[in-house]
Amino acid sequence: AQSVTQPDIHITVSEGASLELRCNYSYGATPYLFWYVQSPGQGLQLLLKYFSGDTLVQGIKGFEAEFKRSQSSFNLRKPSVHWSDAAEYFCAVGARVNSGGYQKVTFGTGTKLQVIP
Amino acid sequence: DAGVIQSPRHEVTEMGQEVTLRCKPISGHDYLFWYRQTMMRGLELLIYFNNNVPIDDSGMPEDRFSAKMPNASFSTLKIQPSEPRDSAVYFCASTVGPPREQETQYFGPGTRLLVL
Repeated sequence: AQSVTQPDIHITVSEGASLELRCNYSYGATPYLFWYVQSPGQGLQLLLKYFSGDTLVQGIKGFEAEFKRSQSSFNLRKPSVHWSDAAEYFCAVGARVNSGGYQKVTFGTGTKLQVIP
Repeated sequence: DAGVIQSPRHEVTEMGQEVTLRCKPISGHDYLFWYRQTMMRGLELLIYFNNNVPIDDSGMPEDRFSAKMPNASFSTLKIQPSEPRDSAVYFCASTVGPPREQETQYFGPGTRLLVL
């Protein structure tokens, strides 16, 4: 079974600073990888996803993530953080459970991002 | 499209009462998922449906929990009797299949449940 680890529960960065949120996964085959963002009181919104091809994935809101198979990582980055980026971020890994069937997605426990002026 | 709709947005109830959470998936989506989010356990998949049929309910914590999908546009998650440890945010999500690389789960705003 797949699993996801987000080692940082809470991160604080200054507005304008760069950001990197860590995500490590465990899965026996090539995973499907996702980053979601959850603003307070809201549901989850997909930021970006990796299925195959280029290991550097561009997402919405200026975010990007890099898939590194050798490190089993899929870290999320943003070069300059805005105050509106304060939210909780979830990494997720998906896998096919049967031929042509739905990919079961397992979520990490999340990283809360605080942005200070 | 209005997105995934969940009701109620907030629910406060007393231990032992029945709780029913409702979800309307995005029109045309044939997969529906119920998740529970808590501080301790994060986001957990409880059950998912394909074409109104439950496919995997291994995440349902115990017999007090049940879920139904009587038609393509409506699903319920019921807890009977409710307990304080059921307090959590419950999310519904939907997606369109068969699964392809473009597959994305669309989440509803969640129902925040507090059992006293």
